[in-house]
Amino acid sequence: GENVEQHPSTLSVQEGDSAVIKCTYSDSASNYFPWYKQELGKRPQLIIDIRSNVGEKKDQRIAVTLNKTAKHFSLHITETQPEDSAVYFCAVYGGATNKLIFGTGTLLAVQP
Amino acid sequence: EAGVTQFPSHSVIEKGQTVTLRCDPISGHDNLYWYRRVMGKEIKFLLHFVKESKQDESGMPNNRFLAERTGGTYSTLKVQPAELEDSGVYFCASSQDLAGVGEQYFGPGTRLTVT
Repeated sequence: GENVEQHPSTLSVQEGDSAVIKCTYSDSASNYFPWYKQELGKRPQLIIDIRSNVGEKKDQRIAVTLNKTAKHFSLHITETQPEDSAVYFCAVYGGATNKLIFGTGTLLAVQP
Repeated sequence: EAGVTQFPSHSVIEKGQTVTLRCDPISGHDNLYWYRRVMGKEIKFLLHFVKESKQDESGMPNNRFLAERTGGTYSTLKVQPAELEDSGVYFCASSQDLAGVGEQYFGPGTRLTVT
């Protein structure tokens, strides 16, 4: 079945720096790649997603890039702020399994 | 509009006991999902309802877990009897998109601790 690997597991950056989180997947037929953010004590919330017919998508300080050939996608956060501190999960949908398969999460800490 | 709600927020039970978790999806969302996150690991799919029907229950760990969604509204997830390894945070999510490609709205989760 689909296998999703997410790195790093923890990431600490200084306020204003950029943060990059990477995920790789195994099923080349996967076609939808969302990113969820879970702040401490809160529910996971979708922050950005990308479909397999698009290579990059940007929303203000957040961007996602997809490399279908290499089967990996990345979340980029620029000009990080303390409120960006949270656990970020990548997920993959489609292919042989019609369900969301999540990565193990990245704990991002933005130091003021 | 209210989001996805889950009850209880926390539950501490002893091994061998029974616990029932409840999820109320966003009104009008036919798709309802259950997930579980064990500490430090991925959010793992358990099952998917479309209205009252189980579309996919391939992620259910074993027959100690029973999910229902009578009437296609709220859903319950019962664990009977609970084991230590069942501890974790159980999330419910709902969505409108029947194709599965689209935002899933998560509830706040139920933290289950089995001692």
